[in-house]
Amino acid sequence: DGGITQSPKYLFRKEGQNVTLSCEQNLNHDAMYWYRQDPGQGLRLIYYSQIVNDFQKGDIAEGYSVSREKKESFPLTVTSAQKNPTAFYLCASSIEGYSYEQYFGPGTRLTVT
Amino acid sequence: KQEVTQIPAALSVPEGENLVLNCSFTDSAIYNLQWFRQDPGKGLTSLLLIQSSQREQTSGRLNASLDKSSGRSTLYIAASQPGDSATYLCAATGTASKLTFGTGTRLQVTL
Repeated sequence: DGGITQSPKYLFRKEGQNVTLSCEQNLNHDAMYWYRQDPGQGLRLIYYSQIVNDFQKGDIAEGYSVSREKKESFPLTVTSAQKNPTAFYLCASSIEGYSYEQYFGPGTRLTVT
Repeated sequence: KQEVTQIPAALSVPEGENLVLNCSFTDSAIYNLQWFRQDPGKGLTSLLLIQSSQREQTSGRLNASLDKSSGRSTLYIAASQPGDSATYLCAATGTASKLTFGTGTRLQVTL
């Protein structure tokens, strides 16, 4: 089955620790995205990548970092610099850029205490 | 800056009723508009994508329309079922190739 996988489903970390969220897709999509979802707010774009070894900041990139070494993988690191990291994180992909339909993974809920 | 609004924030209807969810956007210069479904604690499932040149798209009991000039899109659900209960999100893709999401409409279909 083709799709997007995110792991783990739930993640707990202590404040001050960096944490990496995994996102893998086997859809052969060029573009991948990371979003953050908070209660009562729309999804907000953190980072996106339209091709391997290239990525751009979204609206709320501060305190986050990404890499795109392989077409299938787009891991997100939440650093200790992120002021309020507790949230639901969603990864998505599309064939090419934004004008194409985006497909989403199941999400990772990160809780930092 | 594109802003997307969805009204109402929550809606409860009895099973079998036809219903309309609304989505409005401030910048009419969009590539497309997408409707998604999200179940609690889950990711988003794409329902329909309407390109800027299209007026509507249909999939089963779902029909989405797009009126760029008025900055509006609607999602029509026919003969609602309890399994339709979820949060429905719309998102507009602007000329800057950025997807802007609304905050969603939480739908509950009761027996």
